[in-house]
Amino acid sequence: DTGVSQDPRHKITKRGQNVTFRCDPISEHNRLYWYRQTLGQGPEFLTYFQNEAQLEKSRLLSDRFSAERPKGSFSTLEIQRTEQGDSAMYLCASSRTGWETQYFGPGTRLLVL
Amino acid sequence: AQSVTQLGSHVSVSEGALVLLRCNYSSSVPPYLFWYVQYPNQGLQLLLKYTTGATLVKGINGFEAEFKKSETSFHLTKPSAHMSDAAEYFCAVSEEGYGGSQGNLIFGKGTKLSVKP
Repeated sequence: DTGVSQDPRHKITKRGQNVTFRCDPISEHNRLYWYRQTLGQGPEFLTYFQNEAQLEKSRLLSDRFSAERPKGSFSTLEIQRTEQGDSAMYLCASSRTGWETQYFGPGTRLLVL
Repeated sequence: AQSVTQLGSHVSVSEGALVLLRCNYSSSVPPYLFWYVQYPNQGLQLLLKYTTGATLVKGINGFEAEFKKSETSFHLTKPSAHMSDAAEYFCAVSEEGYGGSQGNLIFGKGTKLSVKP
């Protein structure tokens, strides 16, 4: 396994701009999760996919956030009209099935100026 | 709804001393419990997990944790701290997910472990 990868690792943007992050899960992992981690806090759940189906979304995932996993492999998380409160580390995790361990990527650190 | 409480946002120990990081959870269903470690500017790495069976769980790097249902606790221990153990540690419980599978993880706020030489 090459591990979960995320791109970019760092992103600085101005308030009001749109940003998109990519997550490549471990090969053949069906589940893919997105979390957000702010300074001094534990990760908070945003959404998860089973293959290409988005099964659950947190209330944290406002209308400005959208996630996709079109072919059941990589996933993208887009934030529209970014706000300073969106500044955080965005973590992606994958698991082989819904009953197995979640493996985390290195995260994308977003700073909104 | 499930929740996790980690007592102590910072713990400092001397090298060679016992490490004890506390975690209490609340869950309406039999929980799946996890400890993850995070080094600066990195993602989370699984240390150990409890699903069913033996309540004393051994993980990587000499860590272990004991599930105590009566105390709703899952404390993490290591007999002898090493400098390389300095990191942030997160306890997590799994929500029940789609079709009875594991859902998302609910994390505590984390405990930062410092190790003094």
